[in-house]
Amino acid sequence: EADIYQTPRYLVIGTGKKITLECSQTMGHDKMYWYQQDPGMELHLIHYSYGVNSTEKGDLSSESTVSRIRTEHFPLTLESARPSHTSQYLCASSPPGAANYGYTFGSGTRLTVV
Amino acid sequence: GNSVTQMEGPVTLSEEAFLTINCTYTATGYPSLFWYVQYPGEGLQLLLKATKADDKGSNKGFEATYRKETTSFHLEKGSVQVSDSAVYFCARNNAGNMLTFGGGTRLMVKP
Repeated sequence: EADIYQTPRYLVIGTGKKITLECSQTMGHDKMYWYQQDPGMELHLIHYSYGVNSTEKGDLSSESTVSRIRTEHFPLTLESARPSHTSQYLCASSPPGAANYGYTFGSGTRLTVV
Repeated sequence: GNSVTQMEGPVTLSEEAFLTINCTYTATGYPSLFWYVQYPGEGLQLLLKATKADDKGSNKGFEATYRKETTSFHLEKGSVQVSDSAVYFCARNNAGNMLTFGGGTRLMVKP
């Protein structure tokens, strides 16, 4: 049974629409992350959070925004979707000792902007 | 900076063949090392890990040994199955307890 949930699994949406990708975890992890995965498989960190009210930009510049109002919830929002945003988006979380435990990933949201 | 380099794929093998996927990391500090697996249409799952030199991580027939002298963490399996077809990611942790991932290696196993 998954401890980190992403919805929707698949989303096809028109250009210019506002969308929110949901990510929730039930493990009480402080740290959460959003990755964008291109068709070539490589993972790009776009946002992360150390805890409530903490958000940071990742290595890859993204037009998306995130919020962390509750420990368990880390949604990602695109104000105006474009075809260039078409990608797989993966959410992950980790406890304080990520060095020993690693990350737990959700199943991902595959976004297609037409 | 910290980085992880994996062999490029795809790696195509016949069922029951021996698998090696190479992974090397930059020798900054004493990182923990991980292998993740991503099956089609899914997120990444932790496959195995090693937290110090000479440790061997193992799971589901896969093994990897933390080699500090060669800064390597190669993934091996003695006999692959069609169900092992997936993308495999090597990763190391950094000073901020965040993970750096390699570029991923796609494995295709043919019956």
